[in-house]
Amino acid sequence: DAKTTQPNSMESNEEEPVHLPCNHSTISGTDYIHWYRQLPSQGPEYVIHGLTSNVNNRMASLAIAEDRKSSTLILHRATLRDAAVYYCILRVPLPLLGLVFGKGTKLTVNP
Amino acid sequence: DTEVTQTPKHLVMGMTNKKSLKCEQHMGHRAMYWYKQKAKKPPELMFVYSYEKLSINESVPSRFSPECPNSSLLNLHLHALQPEDSALYLCASSQGNFRGRNHTGELFFGEGSRLTVL
Repeated sequence: DAKTTQPNSMESNEEEPVHLPCNHSTISGTDYIHWYRQLPSQGPEYVIHGLTSNVNNRMASLAIAEDRKSSTLILHRATLRDAAVYYCILRVPLPLLGLVFGKGTKLTVNP
Repeated sequence: DTEVTQTPKHLVMGMTNKKSLKCEQHMGHRAMYWYKQKAKKPPELMFVYSYEKLSINESVPSRFSPECPNSSLLNLHLHALQPEDSALYLCASSQGNFRGRNHTGELFFGEGSRLTVL
């Protein structure tokens, strides 16, 4: 399976933008880039996904490098509720394979 | 609120006990998953059910026995567990295919059942 590399932890201040990087140099042409986050004492939740183009939704934006070997999850204005572990996951479009989680980035948001 | 419901939220059991974890979803999803998560570690995939049939077993010990009685329910039967099996057990569901309005293949997770084996 193609792997991802993320920083172990990052810190941000409330109401400032946060850029969470992910390296995936062995990504294949059919791998989608998915982001999930896990808030304390909760199950993971879907954040965003993309293939080649940058993507925006109500939670975040996803910027994908032109060579697709890296991507960045952007939280435009961090809130205390965004403190979580963020997982960058590569996924082939075969839903029955499930998700394989890497170590993720623990985001701390300071008031 | 999550649309995947797991019960019980907490379970304490001895090594000789038999217990079950339950998971329920009413989103019409046809794929369901069990994950195990140790403290400060990422979730690890255990089993995948597709259309009520076991499609993936990630070499999980036989003391864990999954069951999918219908498309809305997923059970995990526990027997003769070890203290190192203490963990958060997460259930998730997703559409069985990428067709239709939701193309993300998004997994919806429950809040988990926290298991302690004494």
